[in-house]
Amino acid sequence: ETGVTQSPTHLIKTRGQQVTLRCSSQSGHNTVSWYQQALGQGPQFIFQYYREEENGRGNFPPRFSGLQFPNYSSELNVNALELDDSALYLCASSSRDRVDGYTFGSGTRLTVV
Amino acid sequence: DQQVKQNSPSLSVQEGRISILNCDYTNSMFDYFLWYKKYPAEGPTFLISISSIKDKNEDGRFTVFLNKSAKHLSLHIVPSQPGDSAVYFCAAEKGGSQGNLIFGKGTKLSVKP
Repeated sequence: ETGVTQSPTHLIKTRGQQVTLRCSSQSGHNTVSWYQQALGQGPQFIFQYYREEENGRGNFPPRFSGLQFPNYSSELNVNALELDDSALYLCASSSRDRVDGYTFGSGTRLTVV
Repeated sequence: DQQVKQNSPSLSVQEGRISILNCDYTNSMFDYFLWYKKYPAEGPTFLISISSIKDKNEDGRFTVFLNKSAKHLSLHIVPSQPGDSAVYFCAAEKGGSQGNLIFGKGTKLSVKP
């Protein structure tokens, strides 16, 4: 059984650029959620995808967008990067009935300069 | 407005003793609660969860207690081991908002040999 994998692990972008982060869900999981974790804080919910559609969104602007693919993998896209977007981005997958909770990946560390 | 609060940023415990991590919440709509452990440079690892219809759930060395009237939950680790040293996050979810976990800021547990 494979866990949640995220890529890349680290990247550095310039303010104003766009970035795409990727996530492969755990085998048997069909729901993917994305979180942003700033230093010293708990993860903050960005949005969730189920059946390739956005199924809930946190308090993030529209420049944060996502996709889910038929194999349940997902992308997080952030446009017009700002310095405050520097954070650890976490992906979590689950089955619809969350019987085994939510499995997180190791995250992508994004630095905006 | 912090809906999930972990008021102790850190906790130090002797190996073999009990570790008790606490979490308070304000939203009575939360119906599912989870505890995660996080090591540096890794994603959160699911430990144990509890539904609001229960007041206790046990899994090996880990037990979670839920006091709905006090809006309080706690994680007990018995016996504590040095490998338990990590940051522990409490998270809560509202019914109908599956995947939207609200996290506390975490408690850093240090278990000393």
